[in-house]
Formats: sequence, structure tokens, C-alpha cells
Amino acid sequence: GQQLNQSPQSMFIQEGEDVSMNCTSSSIFNTWLWYKQDPGEGPVLLIALYKAGELTSNGRLTAQFGITRKDSFLNISASIPSDVGIYFCAGWNYGGSQGNLIFGKGTKLSVKP
Amino acid sequence: KAGVTQTPRYLIKTRGQQVTLSCSPISGHRSVSWYQQTPGQGLQFLFEYFSETQRNKGNFPGRFSGRQFSNSRSEMNVSTLELGDSALYLCASSSQHGRVYEQYFGPGTRLTVT
Repeated sequence: GQQLNQSPQSMFIQEGEDVSMNCTSSSIFNTWLWYKQDPGEGPVLLIALYKAGELTSNGRLTAQFGITRKDSFLNISASIPSDVGIYFCAGWNYGGSQGNLIFGKGTKLSVKP
Repeated sequence: KAGVTQTPRYLIKTRGQQVTLSCSPISGHRSVSWYQQTPGQGLQFLFEYFSETQRNKGNFPGRFSGRQFSNSRSEMNVSTLELGDSALYLCASSSQHGRVYEQYFGPGTRLTVT
């Protein structure tokens, strides 16, 4: 079945550093979504990407929809302690009559003050 | 504006039983989607309803079903529960206006199957 390979699985960085994570697949996706989840809470949608090559920012977050439509990247600039959490990518695939949303396994981000 | 609410928050069921979970979306949102989250499989998409019709569907067996009412509230049903159905079940409501897409998740229902 379709899979999204999200890397890295975890990151432990110093406050102020920039962060990069990505998701890749052998399948093509029509839309990419990036989420953050804090412990005990539901995910929060950070950025939605709709078009190959699209680059979108949301504050210190920047995400890109890969040209091949098989990958996406999320960058966080100047990390702060509240960036701690698990980040998920997800891709919509509309191959059949109904779409399916596939999630990556997540990147756990820890920030050292 | 009230957020997405899910009831119940916690539930314990026995193998073979069935369960119904409820989700009330944010006012004005017509789309409700459901997800299963487990430590082993991570986040998985179950299905999405829009205007009382199932619009999108993940790769779950027919034991997992849902419906949406005219007020956009949604229910999810799992029949013949298995131990592996123990999970956090999340619902989210969403709306899209042009390229502006907003989606909010509820706190989830923690289901334990014994």
C-alpha cells in the first residue's frame, strides 16, 4: 500500500537552531499537509500545500510541495521551546473514486533551552 | 466559537461488542473526518463525510462505519470489536473557501478493548 517515509524520526536541537524534516514516497500525492501534535492533544494543522513546487510559510514555518509530487519538506527557523512536539506529514491521494489520506510516522522534536 | 467535541472521552469495551463514538464539529463546518491513532500504526485516516455523504475513505475493514447527520454531527461505529481496535479515535471538522483550508481536531476518544 501507499506509504510515507518521514525523517528524521526524532531530533534533539538547541534553541535558536533551524530544523528540517521531510516526507518521501513512491506514490504521487495531490495535496500535502503538515501537523503538530502535543502530548494528550489532537493534531494541529500547520500548513497545507496544493500544487507541485509550491512554497508556503506560516510564521517561522516553511513547507514545500516537491516538484515530483512525491515529497514534501518542512523547515522551522530559530526554534523555541514551544516547538517541542511531534510533527506529522500527510498526503492526499485521489487515485480512485474516493481519496485516501496517508500519514507519516512523525518526527519528534525536542528543544534544549 | 466552540471547538470540536467528542463523546465519550474514554470507553472500555469487550471483544465482540460494538461501539459508537460521536463528534460535533465547529459551527459552520460541513466536513467531518475520523482517524485512528495507535503507538504501532501511528495516525490513520478512516473516512470523511461532507453534507451527509462519505466523500473519502481509508483502508479500514467494513467493521468501521460512519454517518453524518443534517446538522453536520457525525458518528463512527465499530462492530465486532477486536483487541487491536484499542486506540485513540480522533475526529476533525474542516471547511475550505478557495485556497483557505481550516481544520480542527477534537480531543479524541480513548477506546480500550479487553
